[in-house]
Amino acid sequence: TQLLEQSPQFLSIQEGENLTVYCNSSSVFSSLQWYRQEPGEGPVLLVTVVTGGEVKKLKRLTFQFGDARKDSSLHITAAQPGDTGLYLCAGARSGNQFYFGTGTSLTVIP
Amino acid sequence: DTEVTQTPKHLVMGMTNKKSLKCEQHMGHRAMYWYKQKAKKPPELMFVYSYEKLSINESVPSRFSPECPNSSLLNLHLHALQPEDSALYLCASSQGGLRTDTQYFGPGTRLTVL
Repeated sequence: TQLLEQSPQFLSIQEGENLTVYCNSSSVFSSLQWYRQEPGEGPVLLVTVVTGGEVKKLKRLTFQFGDARKDSSLHITAAQPGDTGLYLCAGARSGNQFYFGTGTSLTVIP
Repeated sequence: DTEVTQTPKHLVMGMTNKKSLKCEQHMGHRAMYWYKQKAKKPPELMFVYSYEKLSINESVPSRFSPECPNSSLLNLHLHALQPEDSALYLCASSQGGLRTDTQYFGPGTRLTVL
């Protein structure tokens, strides 16, 4: 059973379009991370969100942590081919426990 | 510096070979992790070391044997692997024990078992 469900699982869009990826759970997390991963490489940390309702922006990427700290979203504005990759959310709980989401594979077509 | 290094980058081994994967971090992190990942799937946790002691073993077969020689190093010893063990093996580290803890990943070792 996966604690964190991501949607959509696959997404293929044209360059310049906007998109949102969701990361949902029925469990509360003390913090949540978003990573982007390219094939054959390790996940690269994009952001950590900690406070319920928190919004963080990283250039064209906007991350939000749900008020109850059970869910999160990643919004990309004007997607570019360089945004292509596997997006992973991961929730942290006590005792070095991290739970990965099911992953969203994004392809941005030039 | 948030770098975790892993060697080798690629490894091809036969089912009777013995090999080791290495991971190193110099961020002063006290928790280190091994994950296995198949293509386009999320990483699957294998082992967690906290303060150099094995704290989590996710029912991993004994042909995988972790070792933490010191707080900066993590090894994964491989013996008598099966072709289905072919995957990307990821090492990660985190400060350990913090409510806002964050994992940092290495680039991975691409393992192929023939």
